[in-house]
Amino acid sequence: DAGVTQSPTHLIKTRGQQVTLRCSPKSGHDTVSWYQQALGQGPQFIFQYYEEEERQRGNFPDRFSGHQFPNYSSELNVNALLLGDSALYLCASRTGGYNEQFFGPGTRLTVL
Amino acid sequence: AQTVTQSQPEMSVQEAETVTLSCTYDTSENNYYLFWYKQPPSRQMILVIRQEAYKQQNATENRFSVNFQKAAKSFSLKISDSQLGDTAMYFCAFLRLGTASKLTFGTGTRLQVTL
Repeated sequence: DAGVTQSPTHLIKTRGQQVTLRCSPKSGHDTVSWYQQALGQGPQFIFQYYEEEERQRGNFPDRFSGHQFPNYSSELNVNALLLGDSALYLCASRTGGYNEQFFGPGTRLTVL
Repeated sequence: AQTVTQSQPEMSVQEAETVTLSCTYDTSENNYYLFWYKQPPSRQMILVIRQEAYKQQNATENRFSVNFQKAAKSFSLKISDSQLGDTAMYFCAFLRLGTASKLTFGTGTRLQVTL
């Protein structure tokens, strides 16, 4: 059983560009969350998707948007990239209730 | 808003010894979960242990146990018989009931297990 997978592993962009990160949840999971982990910090919650809708959102600007597909996979889009967007982006999935969130290995985004 | 504080940026322990990582949190909520996650150099965040706030009994998972002091808002992790594979960043995290995915993390403690 594959766990949570994310692509790409690493990504380098320049300021002002747009980026799309992808996440496939663990088999049987229907809820996907995204977190941003800056260097030396703990992860910060960006948003959660369930039933193809954004259900919760953290303190992130509208430049951060997402999507969930019918197969429960998800994308994180970031527009007008800033240097401060450089971070490890983690995807986590779970099924209903308060079950454990399983994390993917993350995508390392570098903005130059 | 909830905050989670880990006051030990780095710790070191010898193999087979016991180490305790500290975590305090601030919340006005009464119903919540607390977690310890491990993040090895591979970056994959792994759940170590979970504590429901309504349970008075401290959670244990093999060599890992917690000391949950609800009134003091303290949630420490004890690792017994430390192993080299325990070397990792450890994050304390808070989950308020009703926000089923929004984990609030501390800044982490880097644990190095040495021979």
